[in-house]
Amino acid sequence: EPEVTQTPSHQVTQMGQEVILRCVPISNHLYFYWYRQILGQKVEFLVSFYNNEISEKSEIFDDQFSVERPDGSNFTLKIRSTKLEDSAMYFCASSPQAGYGYTFGSGTRLTVV
Amino acid sequence: ELKVEQNPLFLSMQEGKNYTIYCNYSTTSDRLYWYRQDPGKSLESLFVLLSNGAVKQEGRLMASLDTKARLSTLHITAAVHDLSATYFCAVRIGDAGNMLTFGGGTRLMVKP
Repeated sequence: EPEVTQTPSHQVTQMGQEVILRCVPISNHLYFYWYRQILGQKVEFLVSFYNNEISEKSEIFDDQFSVERPDGSNFTLKIRSTKLEDSAMYFCASSPQAGYGYTFGSGTRLTVV
Repeated sequence: ELKVEQNPLFLSMQEGKNYTIYCNYSTTSDRLYWYRQDPGKSLESLFVLLSNGAVKQEGRLMASLDTKARLSTLHITAAVHDLSATYFCAVRIGDAGNMLTFGGGTRLMVKP
């Protein structure tokens, strides 16, 4: 069964450093997403991406965040200057249609120290 | 702003018992999802409910949707230990984009 692949599974970074989280969506999916989950809390939407541009973003997705699909297969989330409160599990997801058929990746646990 | 509320937040039950998890949402939606999450793991899709009165069943889990009441339920029949996990409902606002708004989750523990 097709999977959404995320790397790394765990990333530890110092406050103020830049991090890039990587995702390989399912190959025939057209819509891509990032969500995050702070430990023990609910899953929160960050951003959706379609046709090489952001289609929606939440208030969490401020100027410190950016997304890119650099090569037609990878989908990345960059945090420019990490803060302690960015520590969370970040999930990538993709879907073949808008708002339907989501598949979530296994997540990247980001720890900011 | 769409709000999605689940209750209970925590549920401890004995094997063999039945119970229902509730998911209320505050505005019109055209799709409601139920996910399962094991500790430290990803979100596993259980059900997607698309219309009023929709009912779906898989094993010991049954989900239903009442769009008029803005309520979905996840019913557990004769619980077994393997069902221990956190269950999330998530709602998409119709025609308002692709984002899902998640409930706070229900942590289910099934005791032998």
